[in-house]
Amino acid sequence: AQSVAQPEDQVNVAEGNPLTVKCTYSVSGNPYLFWYVQYPNRGLQFLLKYITGDNLVKGSYGFEAEFNKSQTSFHLKKPSALVSDSALYFCAVRGGSQGNLIFGKGTKLSVKP
Amino acid sequence: EAGVAQSPRYKIIEKRQSVAFWCNPISGHATLYWYQQILGQGPKLLIQFQNNGVVDDSQLPKDRFSAERLKGVDSTLKIQPAKLEDSAVYLCASSLLGQGSGANVLTFGAGSRLTVL
Repeated sequence: AQSVAQPEDQVNVAEGNPLTVKCTYSVSGNPYLFWYVQYPNRGLQFLLKYITGDNLVKGSYGFEAEFNKSQTSFHLKKPSALVSDSALYFCAVRGGSQGNLIFGKGTKLSVKP
Repeated sequence: EAGVAQSPRYKIIEKRQSVAFWCNPISGHATLYWYQQILGQGPKLLIQFQNNGVVDDSQLPKDRFSAERLKGVDSTLKIQPAKLEDSAVYLCASSLLGQGSGANVLTFGAGSRLTVL
């Protein structure tokens, strides 16, 4: 069975500092990995995905994520956090081209001025 | 491009009452999903349609939940009778269908927040 874990309920960073939101996964077969962001009272918005190729994936709003097969991780990163990045971040995984998209429980990112 | 439309945005009902949610996906998106997001948890898939056929409804509580997508476009999710534990945000999403569809991105609507008292 496939699963995804986001070990941190909340991440706090100061504006201008780098941020990392952690995600680990478990699937059979090649993973398709996604990050979504959810602002209050809004639906989930796509940030980036890894399907194949370069392990470093760049996405929207300056975010990037690194796929690490040996550690089964797909951590979300940004070199310099903004207050406007404060939101709920979800990691999701699908095992191959079929199967459902399974979401983690989410990590609340809080960026303080 | 218009997004995924959902209504109503908010609904408050008493337990044992019924409720229906409507979703209109992005034009041309063959695949439509209904997710349930309980506070503090990630979205959980309830049902997936491909055109007007059901692909996966294994996690849909069929004794009280039903969904349809009659013409392969918009969809309705119904709960009857509602229980307290059904309080959640119901998210509709859509995606393209095609080669490598596993890589296709889901586009979500804003959600319908249900409170069952």
